[in-house]
Amino acid sequence: EAGVVQSPRYKIIEKKQPVAFWCNPISGHNTLYWYLQNLGQGPELLIRYENEEAVDDSQLPKDRFSAERLKGVDSTLKIQPAELGDSAVYLCASSLGGGESYEQYFGPGTRLTVT
Amino acid sequence: RKEVEQDPGPFNVPEGATVAFNCTYSNSASQSFFWYRQDCRKEPKLLMSVYSSGNEDGRFTAQLNRASQYISLLIRDSKLSDSATYLCVVNKAAGNKLTFGGGTRVLVKP
Repeated sequence: EAGVVQSPRYKIIEKKQPVAFWCNPISGHNTLYWYLQNLGQGPELLIRYENEEAVDDSQLPKDRFSAERLKGVDSTLKIQPAELGDSAVYLCASSLGGGESYEQYFGPGTRLTVT
Repeated sequence: RKEVEQDPGPFNVPEGATVAFNCTYSNSASQSFFWYRQDCRKEPKLLMSVYSSGNEDGRFTAQLNRASQYISLLIRDSKLSDSATYLCVVNKAAGNKLTFGGGTRVLVKP
């Protein structure tokens, strides 16, 4: 069974440019998460989707970050404009359901460098 | 104060030795607890859940102390392949929202 797929794996952009990350969750997983992980720290949740609905976006900096999951499967996370402090790894995860008993499976992440 | 705190390490462990480390959490409403493992430049992967009665999975033993609000992980007979960062994770009751600690780095050396 394929795991969570993310692309691109690496991205280097100049500050003030836009950037987008794509995630394809494990087939059948209704719940999708985007996390941000800074060097030497644990992942921090940005947004959680149940199917196509964003049920928790309280940690998403909405002035520059946006996300969508139009058909309840793939998801895109966008940053516009990017700032130097956005350099981090952006991880996508998915789970069968939104309850705490469901294991979250992580993708390999997109490593963003903003110069 | 961070919700989940860990000693960042590194814990330098001779191969075959035992290593143990803790994680403290601040929210007494936390319901579920986990240890995730993250290799360098890789994604986190679930290592084991932590149950109130304590649980063991091979060489790994996890304990939960709700009164003192900490969980622990013990690795026996350490292998070189155990070298990784171990992330303490706490889940509150409302939804599958994981809060990660900063991780404890373990280096097993020959």
